[in-house]
Amino acid sequence: ILNVEQSPQSLHVQEGDSTNFTCSFPSSNFYALHWYRWETAKSPEALFVMTLNGDEKKKGRISATLNTKEGYSYLYIKGSQPEDSATYLCAFPTNAGGTSYGKLTFGQGTILTVHP
Amino acid sequence: DVKVTQSSRYLVKRTGEKVFLECVQDMDHENMFWYRQDPGLGLRLIYFSYDVKMKEKGDIPEGYSVSREKKERFSLILESASTNQTSMYLCASSLIRGIPTYGYTFGSGTRLTVV
Repeated sequence: ILNVEQSPQSLHVQEGDSTNFTCSFPSSNFYALHWYRWETAKSPEALFVMTLNGDEKKKGRISATLNTKEGYSYLYIKGSQPEDSATYLCAFPTNAGGTSYGKLTFGQGTILTVHP
Repeated sequence: DVKVTQSSRYLVKRTGEKVFLECVQDMDHENMFWYRQDPGLGLRLIYFSYDVKMKEKGDIPEGYSVSREKKERFSLILESASTNQTSMYLCASSLIRGIPTYGYTFGSGTRLTVV
C-alpha cells in the first residue's frame, strides 16, 4: 500500500488568514497527484489534478504547487473564509505504470476550520 | 454535470443482516469505486470495477462483495453486517482506465450504522 501522508491532520484559522498544508507521496514513478475538497454533508469535489513537476494550479483563492522530485505538494488558501472549512484530501495513483485502472490511494486528509 | 447517486444517505442495520448499497452514475464512466471513510484513516478502497461484470479487490475487501451488471450501476454488498463495518461509504466514478488524469466524481455518501 502506498504511503500518502498529509499534514497537519487539522488546522484552525481565523477568517482572513492565509494557510497551507502538505501532501507527501512516493517520488518514484510519478504520474499524477489529485486534490479534493470535502465539505460536511456534501460529496468530495475535485480541486486539481497535477501531472507535471513545477505545476502550479489556481482556483479562486486556492492554489497548489507540485514537486515530483522530492515528492510533495502544497495547497494554499489565501484569505480563508468560513466557507473554506472542509476536509482537504490528496490522492496518488496506485500501481500506476503497470495495469493501472485509475485507482487512487488517498491521504488521511487535513481538516480545516475557519473561524469567523 | 456528471452525477453519482447513492441510494441512501443514512442506514441502520442489525448485525448479521445482508446489506446492499447502491450507486448509479449517469455519464458512461468506465471505472467505479467503493471507498469507506473512518476518522484518522482517510478513504480506503474496498472494491472497484473497470467494466461491466469485472471487479477487482481494493485494500480492504474482507466482508464485502460487489456487483456490476450494468455500466451505470455498482453495488456494494455486506454479506453479514458486523459492527466494525459501521462507517461512511463513498461511491466514485472516473472516465477512463489508465492513469487517472481526470478527477473522480463522488456520490454524497451513505453513513451506515450496524447495531
